[in-house]
Amino acid sequence: NAGVTQTPKFQVLKTGQSMTLQCAQDMNHEYMSWYRQDPGMGLRLIHYSVGAGITDQGEVPNGYNVSRSTTEDFPLRLLSAAPSQTSVYFCASSATGTDNFGNTIYFGEGSWLTVV
Amino acid sequence: GENVEQHPSTLSVQEGDSAVIKCTYSDSASNYFPWYKQELGKRPQLIIDIRSNVGEKKDQRIAVTLNKTAKHFSLHITETQPEDSAVYFCAARGLTGGGNKLTFGTGTQLKVEL
Repeated sequence: NAGVTQTPKFQVLKTGQSMTLQCAQDMNHEYMSWYRQDPGMGLRLIHYSVGAGITDQGEVPNGYNVSRSTTEDFPLRLLSAAPSQTSVYFCASSATGTDNFGNTIYFGEGSWLTVV
Repeated sequence: GENVEQHPSTLSVQEGDSAVIKCTYSDSASNYFPWYKQELGKRPQLIIDIRSNVGEKKDQRIAVTLNKTAKHFSLHITETQPEDSAVYFCAARGLTGGGNKLTFGTGTQLKVEL
């Protein structure tokens, strides 16, 4: 049971390049999400998914695309990288739960992205 | 949407003292409030959480209190130790938009000094 796995861990991009951050979880969680973390700003939600085939925007979605073709995978695509997208990216997942309360969210190890 | 404010941004305490971090939230429908600890270069890890139908929860040296009327919740760490030094984030789960969306506070850098 590996939990939430992200790749790559470190990446340097040139402005205008595109790339995909991979995220996979082996806990059969319905809910997956992507956050970015910037100094002094906490974690901000980029996109999320409540199940395969369903995605929605979070707080800061511009410049990013996601898809959810399987329960296990939730890749994040940077369409045309900009220096403002230099950040640490965390993928996260959780079970939906049987009641109306939230459930523990598990984070991946993070991906450090620098756009030059 | 939900807005979470966290204070203080930095906190320095002596080993053995208590530390308190406070958060307020805006969405009265929010019903789940986790706290995460993040060490330098590592992922956030859940340390304690509380549901809106509970006013207080304890786990050894850590406790969380929730005041739904005032829309604020607090993390209490007693008998602090050097290994408690880290960044702590509060979060709130709102009910709009579906899913398990968390809105995070901006974090508190806790330093426990010997």
